[in-house]
Amino acid sequence: NAGVTQTPKFRVLKTGQSMTLLCAQDMNHEYMYWYRQDPGMGLRLIHYSVGEGTTAKGEVPDGYNVSRLKKQNFLLGLESAAPSQTSVYFCASSLETGWGGGNQPQHFGDGTRLSIL
Amino acid sequence: AQTVTQSQPEMSVQEAETVTLSCTYDTSESDYYLFWYKQPPSRQMILVIRQEAYKQQNATENRFSVNFQKAAKSFSLKISDSQLGDAAMYFCAYMEETSGSRLTFGEGTQLTVNP
Repeated sequence: NAGVTQTPKFRVLKTGQSMTLLCAQDMNHEYMYWYRQDPGMGLRLIHYSVGEGTTAKGEVPDGYNVSRLKKQNFLLGLESAAPSQTSVYFCASSLETGWGGGNQPQHFGDGTRLSIL
Repeated sequence: AQTVTQSQPEMSVQEAETVTLSCTYDTSESDYYLFWYKQPPSRQMILVIRQEAYKQQNATENRFSVNFQKAAKSFSLKISDSQLGDAAMYFCAYMEETSGSRLTFGEGTQLTVNP
């Protein structure tokens, strides 16, 4: 059982290039998330999805797009990479929660280190 | 918007001793959840402990326990009998009982365990 898998683990881009980060989970989780982690700061939510075909903006969505075409996959895209997007990106997933069931923890991938020159 | 504050960027503890990491949060909600995550140098995010706001009893998981003070909006983590493997960055996180169950993280506390 792989859990949450992020691809790639490392990537270096030049300013203006585009790329897509892939997150795959095999736990049949309904909810998926993309975070970024910068030095001296906690993880900040970029976008999230509460189900296949749905996406929503988080705290820092500018410069990113996402898609959730399949329940198990959540893609994060950078259309025109900027040095400010140099960061470690984490994907997470969790079970659907309802009233009284909101303590489902998020399961994290191992992160993608992205450097933009 | 909810905020989570960890006022101790760094902490250190001697092996086998006890250390407490602080966390405060701001919310107008009455029902929510709080978590502590551990991030070792491997970069993995590992759930340490969770607390439901509607429960008065403090959560415990082996050597890890919390002191949850709802009125003060405080959620500290106590690590007893510290081990070298406890050295990591620790993040406090808040989750609302709303659609999406999004987490808001604190800035983190880097814990060093001295032999």
